[in-house]
Amino acid sequence: SAVISQKPSRDICQRGTSLTIQCQVDSQVTMMFWYRQQPGQSLTLIATANQGSEATYESGFVIDKFPISRPNLTFSTLTVSNMSPEDSSIYLCSVGTGSNSPLHFGNGTRLTVT
Amino acid sequence: DQQVKQNSPSLSVQEGRISILNCDYTNSMFDYFLWYKKYPAEGPTFLISISSIKDKNEDGRFTVFLNKSAKHLSLHIVPSQPGDSAVYFCAAKRDRTGYSTLTFGKGTMLLVSP
Repeated sequence: SAVISQKPSRDICQRGTSLTIQCQVDSQVTMMFWYRQQPGQSLTLIATANQGSEATYESGFVIDKFPISRPNLTFSTLTVSNMSPEDSSIYLCSVGTGSNSPLHFGNGTRLTVT
Repeated sequence: DQQVKQNSPSLSVQEGRISILNCDYTNSMFDYFLWYKKYPAEGPTFLISISSIKDKNEDGRFTVFLNKSAKHLSLHIVPSQPGDSAVYFCAAKRDRTGYSTLTFGKGTMLLVSP
């Protein structure tokens, strides 16, 4: 399975600032996704990171708040913009190979906004 | 509206006994179901899956049962071991390729005591 490196692993940020999270995969993958897990909640899909085009966002998530880049088949970034305490969550990168294999996840970024 | 529900936030079991984790879903379009295990500070790792054309899938100590008419699945761990202590997420998707997205439950924290 793909090895997924996500950084930073954790950060504490001030309200109003932005944080960019990086996801690096050790092999080319077809699909990359960004999930969020708020405290006590399930993992919620933010968007699908599309290589060479704009990300596809799920209902309730917008590009201005969560801009995503995917310049190639092994790398993606998620930015959490203009942060508020409600953005405190674990953000997870996941990848799918397009074959009959399950999604694999990075270790996540634990974000605390003060 | 939660499409995948894990109604038990936690479960405690003694080592050697059976652990049974339950999951219900509401979306009849779901066709493929997965269980993930998550340790603290790590991303979810894939455990076992089942297609809607089956009612049982077994992998070592782990067995997943699917009752499609009841929209219910369960994960059995026999025998349970202390190392199984983790949060278990039930997830569903519309097909088994990497292209379709996962919908997760909120998770059940399993504690296996020696």
